[in-house]
Amino acid sequence: EVQLVESGGGLQQSGGSLRLSCAASGFTFSSYAMSWVRQAPGKGLEWVSSISSIGGSTDYADSVKGRFTISKDKSKNTLYLQMKSLRPEDTAVYYCAKCSSAWLLDPSYFDYWGQGTLVTVSS
Amino acid sequence: QSALTQPASVSGSPGQSITISCTGTSSDVGGYNYVSWYQQHPGKAPKLIIYDVSDRPSGVSHRFSGSKSGNTASLTISGLQAEDEADYYCSSYTSSSALKVFGGGTKLTVL
Repeated sequence: EVQLVESGGGLQQSGGSLRLSCAASGFTFSSYAMSWVRQAPGKGLEWVSSISSIGGSTDYADSVKGRFTISKDKSKNTLYLQMKSLRPEDTAVYYCAKCSSAWLLDPSYFDYWGQGTLVTVSS
Repeated sequence: QSALTQPASVSGSPGQSITISCTGTSSDVGGYNYVSWYQQHPGKAPKLIIYDVSDRPSGVSHRFSGSKSGNTASLTISGLQAEDEADYYCSSYTSSSALKVFGGGTKLTVL
């Protein structure tokens, strides 16, 4: 059974940093791309970042480019999102999602999602 | 502003069928057969219910079906049940970036 468990969310002041983690199990972590998707309170889904299966390729939404860094530790089956220079508009539930393909530019979809972790950025 | 356009809300009575549209362009929905749909109940994580326009993951009810015509994809839910009340999001492969575009979401109310 595929499981994705996020952690690391919390309250942070504007300009601060947080690192989110996503512990993955039930599938071969090194064979699939992974992503972070966020959802601001009362709003829709917004893709944040993706990393390829072996971690060689990454991509970011313009809204977080230069501030967020995605990475994966294959030895720990864990996905990370390092968030710096946080802004109030980064307040959201952050979901870890497994992609159905290995490569970022291949057609794909999010076949499994974690339960999410809430990040709140105060001004 | 979402790249894919969905109606903000739809409603239907138990037993009825409803359809949610997802309109894009020839660079995404119209150009590829890679549309996916997600169901999200309040306070819960999204769940994949349709991929590659019309395929259902194992365990998803046959009451959910997907189709596409031109630049518009559609999700149809037949035999509406109270448990179908949720938000629904579409997503499409695009020529510029895979799996990174969502529709704005549609709130389904079961009357």
